[in-house]
Amino acid sequence: EIVMTQSPATLSVSPGEGATLSCRASQSVSSNLAWYQQKPGQAPRLLIYGASTRATGIPARFSGSGSGTEFTLTISSLQSEDFAVYYCQQYNNWPPLTFGGGTTVEIK
Amino acid sequence: QVQLVQSGAEVKKPGASVMFSCKASGYTFTGYYLHWVRQAPGQGLEWMGWINPNSGGTNYAQKFQGRVTMTRDTSISTAYMELSRLRSDDTAVYYCARASLTGYFPSYYFDYWGQGTLVTVSS
Repeated sequence: EIVMTQSPATLSVSPGEGATLSCRASQSVSSNLAWYQQKPGQAPRLLIYGASTRATGIPARFSGSGSGTEFTLTISSLQSEDFAVYYCQQYNNWPPLTFGGGTTVEIK
Repeated sequence: QVQLVQSGAEVKKPGASVMFSCKASGYTFTGYYLHWVRQAPGQGLEWMGWINPNSGGTNYAQKFQGRVTMTRDTSISTAYMELSRLRSDDTAVYYCARASLTGYFPSYYFDYWGQGTLVTVSS
């Protein structure tokens, strides 16, 4: 099973600032990595797939990079609606499909 | 528009079974795999398995083998998941999620999610 590790667990950011979230895989997942955003009481929403491709309707301030075992989600100029929990998910080696433990982006 | 509408919250006793439903609309039901993912209170996401609505084929996470059964009814575009021998640590929100496509082939990330069904397991 591929273990996905996200860091930091919590990121405190002021509105308008940028944020960088990390996701590490226990073995290579190539570029088969997705990022999701989840707000309280809501289902996750797909942001990024293929490590760097934005999903339909996702603003350009969200960008993904990386391959192999190291991945980054960057949010430039955080808006109020961006404060949420972010999860990465690998889909290269399964079963099982696995998620990271999440990074909470909170208002500083 | 694509929608996945799930059944309502349930309260179950340990040892019981629960059946979830996920009704799809806005797309060809048989064209996309449906996955089930759960989330315990305050915790992360855990993948449980998928069903191919076209063939009925399934693939379950080893952790749930023997306790989970995924089925579908193509006539009403609805997928089901039954989880048996419930324990207190099965208390969670259960989501169905549609897997995207890469060309004509299924991918394994999720472009649409249901609203979730909360199951509380308590004596």
